[in-house]
Amino acid sequence: KNEVEQSPQNLTAQEGEFITINCSYSVGISALHWLQQHPGGGIVSLFMLSSGKKKHGRLIATINIQEKHSSLHITASHPRDSAVYICAASKGGAQKLVFGQGTRLTINP
Amino acid sequence: DSGVTQTPKHLITATGQRVTLRCSPRSGDLSVYWYQQSLDQGLQFLIQYYNGEERAKGNILERFSAQQFPDLHSELNLSSLELGDSALYFCASSPRGSGYNEQFFGPGTRLTVL
Repeated sequence: KNEVEQSPQNLTAQEGEFITINCSYSVGISALHWLQQHPGGGIVSLFMLSSGKKKHGRLIATINIQEKHSSLHITASHPRDSAVYICAASKGGAQKLVFGQGTRLTINP
Repeated sequence: DSGVTQTPKHLITATGQRVTLRCSPRSGDLSVYWYQQSLDQGLQFLIQYYNGEERAKGNILERFSAQQFPDLHSELNLSSLELGDSALYFCASSPRGSGYNEQFFGPGTRLTVL
């Protein structure tokens, strides 16, 4: 079993829908990261959080430390949100990242 | 633009060869991480350097090595290349080597081994 598990692996939705991507982890972590990878390959850091909730524009990330679970929400989804979303846990003194498998999100117009 | 640069963007080479990937961190960042993204293994941590010193090692093969130079840029050396080494290689930088700090990713180097 992977230390970081994401669901769903693939998600297709219509423009305007509310999107939720889930991430569960099985190890103690110091922070949970949400990353976005576009088809060109580049990776962008969306959020880093260790407790509670963070919001940036239409994106919201939450984490429940007791349940070892995090969610990424996208409100009013748009085709430009189509990408792979990856959660990663940072652990250990060096804060190396352990990655989930990624969720491929497709938003149709 | 994260401020992290990687060269080259693409690299095509043959089995048995040796290549060097280069990463320049964001201005002021002391820590550099190297990651490999392959189709079958996903993203994996390879190695971390902090201010010139190796800080942590992950699933890095013995054929691979890295270093961080006094100007803080880092190089990842891959030798005796095999077909399975074909992957996207990312570096990321962060201000510190430990603790709660965000990592900023470079655009990646796509390595194809033929």
